[in-house]
Amino acid sequence: DIQMTQSPSTLSASVGDRVTITCRASQTISTWLAWYQQKPGRAPKLLIYKASSLESEVPLRFSGNGSGTEFTLTISSLQPDDFATYYCHQYHSYSYTFGQGTKLEIK
Amino acid sequence: QLQLQESGPGLVKPSETLSLTCSVSGGSVSSSSYYWGWIRQPPGKGLEWIGSLYFRGGTFYNPSLKSRVTMSVDTSKIQFSLRLTSVTVADTAVYYCVRLALVIVPPSTELTLVDSWGQGLLVTVSS
Repeated sequence: DIQMTQSPSTLSASVGDRVTITCRASQTISTWLAWYQQKPGRAPKLLIYKASSLESEVPLRFSGNGSGTEFTLTISSLQPDDFATYYCHQYHSYSYTFGQGTKLEIK
Repeated sequence: QLQLQESGPGLVKPSETLSLTCSVSGGSVSSSSYYWGWIRQPPGKGLEWIGSLYFRGGTFYNPSLKSRVTMSVDTSKIQFSLRLTSVTVADTAVYYCVRLALVIVPPSTELTLVDSWGQGLLVTVSS
């Protein structure tokens, strides 16, 4: 299986901050990477696919970058609604795998 | 607007079989553009892909669960199902049914992207 490692596990930030979450794959996955946002008690929501493509209706402050084994999710100016847990996910090959999650907390 | 709804028992005894169904509305399980699947999340933990299936019969299972998992689709009822046998407390989780969009990478590689989720159903394994 391809292992996905996110860093940091927890991130404390303030409204208006620019934050970046990193995801590393144990082997190359080209750009077959997605990012999901999950709030407590809710299902995950697709934010970005193919490493940098923004899902419909997702705010432009979210952006993704990377290819191969290193990827980033950046939120340019944090809003109150953005405090949640974020997961990266590789869909390059079975068995599909997810990162362990990054919890974005209010500082 | 696609809606996915999980249903099934919220409590299963150890060694028994967990059976869940996902009802699809606002879409068709017979669409050639999508796979259907299951993902689970133990309380307080991360996401684990269980498997995916295509209405024409192709299935892909997580190797760690493959010996215990069966998925099927019922096109007449517009639903698909999950069976997980010989459950233990480690199978306690929120189970999500999902839709996966089919992506064709030329010339013929097929990838699938989870683009829609059900609300999730907590299944507890306990005696």
